This record gives sequence, structure tokens and C-alpha cells, in this order.
Amino acid sequence: DGGITQSPKYLFRKEGQNVTLSCEQNLNHDAMYWYRQDPGQGLRLIYYSQIVNDFQKGDIAEGYSVSREKKESFPLTVTSAQKNPTAFYLCASSCWVLGEGEQETQYFGPGTRLLVL
Amino acid sequence: SQQGEEDPQALSIQEGENATMNCSYKTSINNLQWYRQNSGRGLVHLILIRSNEREKHSGRLRVTLDTSKKSSSLLITASRAADTASYFCATEYGGSYIPTFGRGTSLIVHP
Repeated sequence: DGGITQSPKYLFRKEGQNVTLSCEQNLNHDAMYWYRQDPGQGLRLIYYSQIVNDFQKGDIAEGYSVSREKKESFPLTVTSAQKNPTAFYLCASSCWVLGEGEQETQYFGPGTRLLVL
Repeated sequence: SQQGEEDPQALSIQEGENATMNCSYKTSINNLQWYRQNSGRGLVHLILIRSNEREKHSGRLRVTLDTSKKSSSLLITASRAADTASYFCATEYGGSYIPTFGRGTSLIVHP
């Protein structure tokens, strides 16, 4: 099956702890994204990556870090500097250079819910 | 920063009725997309409409775009209980190829 997966589904973080959320895609997409979703806030962009070994900050990057060592993988680390990490985290991917018939559509994973103990 | 804002925030209808939700945005766009999110799940793409298009259809979905009013609407005809979800508009504008999402409309369809 082609798609985008996220793990774990639920993640618990203790105060002062760094945690890493996994995102993998086998859609051969160049671009990958991380969003944070809070109730009533919609989606806010944390980081995005257009190509391997390169990534850019989004609107709310503080307290988060990412890496893009492989095209298929874009893990997100929630660091201890993020004081309010409780949220639903969504990873997405898309084509960056559009081929014939392709659109700027984003494909989303099922999400990871992060809770603070 | 949020570019698009959906209206209403919440909509409750009976099965078989039509559901209309709107999206207004502030600056000129390249395209506008509608996504659907079931509770606790990821978003699913519904329709993309480009700035030079006025209307698109997909099954029971109809999207219109009025660039003079900087607004779009999503119409779901003959709604079903399974249409219960949140619906988001996402706009791409300027030189950015990254969509900006609104806060969404929560639709409840009662059987």
C-alpha cells in the first residue's frame, strides 16, 4: 500500500523529556511537513522539508527540531523547550516539482496525539 | 498566520439536506483546496480549485470560487451521516507552494 504512516498513535511525555514522532512515506514525494493541531486552532506549520538534508522553519518551530536524512522519513523531536506540547501532530507529504497531471495536494498521515504526564 | 477562515464554525443538519460552508481569505491566491478530517484522524484532500476557475464538481461536492470577493464555498448535496467531519480550506498564495489552513467547519449530519 502506498501512503504515509505516523507512529506512535499516542505518546506520553514527562516533563523535561525529549520525544520523537516518526513519519514515513512511500509515495516518492520530495516535500514533507509537520503540523500541530490544537482544538479550534486549525493546522499550524512547524517545519517543512523540500529535499533531503534540507528543512525550513514554519510558523511555530520553537521547541521543535527535525531531520531529513532520507527521502522517506521526516522525524519530529519535541524538545523540553516546548512548554505546551499537548496537541495532535500531523505529518504530510506532497510533490514539490509537479509532474503531468499532478496537483499540489498534501497527503496526511493518521496523526500522533502527544500528552504530557 | 492564517489566510483562510471558514464559516460557520459549526453546522448541524439532517441527513438528506444540503450543507454549505464558506471560506474567506485575505490576499490573492494561486489555488484553494478543501480537505476533510474525521475525528482524530488525518486530513483527506477533497477538491483543488485554481484561481482562474470558478466552479468544480466531484460527486456530491461542488466548490465555487469568487476571486473578486476572495471567497469560496463548498456544497455537499444530499448529505449522509458519514459526511460528519471537519472541513478545512487551504490556500496557496504568492510564491509559496505551502498551503495555509483555516480553523475549519465542524459538520454534524444527523441520521
